[in-house]
Formats: sequence, C-alpha cells, structure tokens
Amino acid sequence: QKEVEQNSGPLSVPEGAIASLNCTYSDRGSQSFFWYRQYSGKSPELIMFIYSNGDKEDGRFTAQLNKASQYVSLLIRDSQPSDSATYLCAVTLGNTGFQKLVFGTGTRLLVSP
Amino acid sequence: DGGITQSPKYLFRKEGQNVTLSCEQNLNHDAMYWYRQDPGQGLRLIYYSQIVNDFQKGDIAEGYSVSREKKESFPLTVTSAQKNPTAFYLCASSIEVPLAGGWTSTDTQYFGPGTRLTVL
Repeated sequence: QKEVEQNSGPLSVPEGAIASLNCTYSDRGSQSFFWYRQYSGKSPELIMFIYSNGDKEDGRFTAQLNKASQYVSLLIRDSQPSDSATYLCAVTLGNTGFQKLVFGTGTRLLVSP
Repeated sequence: DGGITQSPKYLFRKEGQNVTLSCEQNLNHDAMYWYRQDPGQGLRLIYYSQIVNDFQKGDIAEGYSVSREKKESFPLTVTSAQKNPTAFYLCASSIEVPLAGGWTSTDTQYFGPGTRLTVL
C-alpha cells in the first residue's frame, strides 16, 4: 500500500460544478495534511492545510479530514477553468523523530467552460 | 519580498558531468528540502536539512549530494553517478513544529520555481 494515494484522474467537471478530490493515507500517526495545486510546468502552491478532524473552509475551497478513516478530501465549489491543474495531497509521515511531507501522485482536474 | 529562488530555470548536462542546482530562501526557515518530480509523478524527497551543517538522506539520495553551510542556502549537486537525472527539481523550505515526545514535524512547505534538468 502506498503511503499517500490519490486517483490520478483526470477528473472532468463543468464550470460552476463542485469538484471533489480524494486522498487516503497509511500512517495513523500523521498529524498534518496539505493540499497543493500545481499548474503544468510550475511548482506546487499551497491551497489549504488541515490538522483536525472535520471541515475547514477557505473561500471556494473546503478541506475535510477523517482521521479514523485515514481520509482527506478537497472540495472546490463553483469550479472555474482556471482551477484546471493537478492537485497534490501531502501528509506528514515519519518514524525517525522528524515527520516529513509525503506526496501523493496527484489528481488532474479539468474544468470545462 | 520573502521567498525561495532556484537557479538556473533550465539546465542541460552532458553524460558524466556533475551539475549544481542553487536554492536560496529569505523566509528565515530552518528546514530545507530537495524533491525530484518525474512526468506524471508526485514529488520524491532527495535530501533534507533541519539545521545548518546537518542534512539527511531522503528516499532517493543515491547519485546526489548537498551542503548546508548557510541557513539561507541549500545547493544540490547531481553527480555522474545519478543514472537517470532528467527531471524537474524542486526546493522547498519550512519551519519545524514541536510534537509530543520530543519529535518535530515539518510545517507548511513553500516551494521555489524549480529547475528543469535535461541530460543530453
């Protein structure tokens, strides 16, 4: 089992719809969870982070964390063509005294006008 | 403006050459990281450093070397021992946060713009 798993997609949604991106992780000791957006040829940029169970909202974005199910998701409301990118889930993992970030392979989102 | 810079943006290497990628940050972060990204793949950790003059191997350190002589700088050398170096290289930095039991964890990592290395 991979440490952080994401469906590679592409996930295709029409403009204005809700896009739902999912991520599962293997280590129950993980403390912090991040979503990054990466446009083609560019470096990742932080969208949201979440530390506690439940929902966290920031504008059109909502992160959801369920530690019991080892599941974190990102909802994008009112999707725009500019949201078309690869979304990377990242989770802190480690057993050597320092928890590092481990990234999923990313889900490609395509928003059609 | 605070941020992370990487240079060069594009780099071409001949077989058997060593090349060094630069990474500088002015965010006053203690921890710095190097990742490699291959097409359609996630980021894989090469090396990281939590403090000046100390660094640790990541998951794919073979064929790479680093130094951390200054807090602001964390250069990566891709040696001739790296058999498949063509990739997108990303540098990041973060603060560390304390956890229970004396552990620490990376906090949000901020990325530089990346260096695209191609072997000719």
